[in-house]
Amino acid sequence: GAVVSQHPSWVICKSGTSVKIECRSLDFQATTMFWYRQFPKQSLMLMATSNEGSKATYEQGVEKDKFLINHASLTLSTLTVTSAHPEDSSFYICRPAGGGAGNEQFFGPGTRLTVL
Amino acid sequence: AQKITQTQPGMFVQEKEAVTLDCTYDTSDPSYGLFWYKQPSSGEMIFLIYQGSYDQQNATEGRYSLNFQKARKSANLVISASQLGDSAMYFCAMREGYGAAGNKLTFGGGTRVLVKP
Repeated sequence: GAVVSQHPSWVICKSGTSVKIECRSLDFQATTMFWYRQFPKQSLMLMATSNEGSKATYEQGVEKDKFLINHASLTLSTLTVTSAHPEDSSFYICRPAGGGAGNEQFFGPGTRLTVL
Repeated sequence: AQKITQTQPGMFVQEKEAVTLDCTYDTSDPSYGLFWYKQPSSGEMIFLIYQGSYDQQNATEGRYSLNFQKARKSANLVISASQLGDSAMYFCAMREGYGAAGNKLTFGGGTRVLVKP
C-alpha cells in the first residue's frame, strides 16, 4: 500500500506553545489532504481538507486561526496547532487522497499531542 | 442524522470463532463506497476492505468479508477464525460521490473487539 509518514509521532508541549505536524506521502502525489482529530475512545472527526496550493476548507466548529494548514507541495502538508491548550490534546491523523491501486485510502500513522 | 452508525460499542469473541460487526449508513447519493478500518492500540488506521455501491458481489479480503445489503443500507464486517491479534477498534466509513468530493470519508463511532483465548 501507499506509504504515508507523519512527524512527530508524539509530542508533549506546554500550554501556549505552537506545534507543527508534518504529513508526507512518500510514494505518490496527493493534491488533496485530509486532517482528522481523534479524542480518546472516540471516532475520527474530519477537521479540514486542503488542496495543494490553495487555502484549506475547515469543517464546522474547527477554528481556522488555531489550526493552520499548509499544503505547499504534492507530497507535504503541515498542520500547526497555534497557542495549544490542554483541550487540544488529541491524536491527529492525516490522509492524503488517493495512493491506493484500487479503492484503498491510506492514513498517516498519527501524531499524539499532549498539552500540559 | 448520523451518516454511519455502529451500534456495538464493544464485544468479546472467542479465539477461532467468527464475529460480525454491524454498520448501517445513510446517503441519498447513488454512488458511494464503504470502508472498514482496524485501529490497534498503536493508533494506526489499517485498511481492511472496501465495497462500492455498484459492486454486485460482496467484497472479501482473506479472513474479512463484507455483508453488503444495499436495500437495508447495511455493510457488516465479518471476521472469520478470530485471532488474538484481531483485538482492536474497528471503524466503518463511507465515501459519497466521486472525484475530490468523493474522497471525503465519514466515520462511524467504532466497535471495540476483544478476542479471548
